[in-house]
Amino acid sequence: DGGITQSPKYLFRKEGQNVTLSCEQNLNHDAMYWYRQDPGQGLRLIYYSQIVNDFQKGDIAEGYSVSREKKESFPLTVTSAQKNPTAFYLCASSTGLDSLYGYTFGSGTRLTVV
Amino acid sequence: GQNIDQPTEMTATEGAIVQINCTYQTSGFNGLFWYQQHAGEAPTFLSYNVLDGLEEKGRFSSFLSRSKGYSYLLLKELQMKDSASYLCAAMDSNYQLIWGAGTKLIIKP
Repeated sequence: DGGITQSPKYLFRKEGQNVTLSCEQNLNHDAMYWYRQDPGQGLRLIYYSQIVNDFQKGDIAEGYSVSREKKESFPLTVTSAQKNPTAFYLCASSTGLDSLYGYTFGSGTRLTVV
Repeated sequence: GQNIDQPTEMTATEGAIVQINCTYQTSGFNGLFWYQQHAGEAPTFLSYNVLDGLEEKGRFSSFLSRSKGYSYLLLKELQMKDSASYLCAAMDSNYQLIWGAGTKLIIKP
């Protein structure tokens, strides 16, 4: 079955460390997205990519970086520059930016700074 | 600015009907989405409206009024498994999704 796989499900980071969250999809979707979800707030867009080797900053890109070397993969690195990284991170994909069929989401990674 | 408003929390009884409202303000409009999210899990797509009116899909229906910037999700014959957060999202003219904070629906027996 096609879908999006995020790993790990839970991740603990020490202050000053970079960590990378994995996102893989086998839906043959062109567009992929990273969102951050905090309690009491809507999903906030970190980065998105419409095509391989191209990506755009979302509303809260500071302290994060991404790459899109393969269509199936869109990893997110949370750098030490991100001051408040503890959150639930969701990866999503769609057929295109203007998809009217909605996004397919991964099951999320909960990142905690210790 | 762009904004989505929906109630923070609602409570309903098993077997009953509940309506979750959403108002939006966006730069341009390319449709309104509803997603369901169980705690700690991925949001799952429920519905998409771009024209005014009611779209029915089994126990769930979604309504849109573009002139009023308003949508609602109607859930009938509530089941315990419907306890979840319901996310409203509007797509703006740049095809970016603007998300509400979600409505946590609590179903009581």
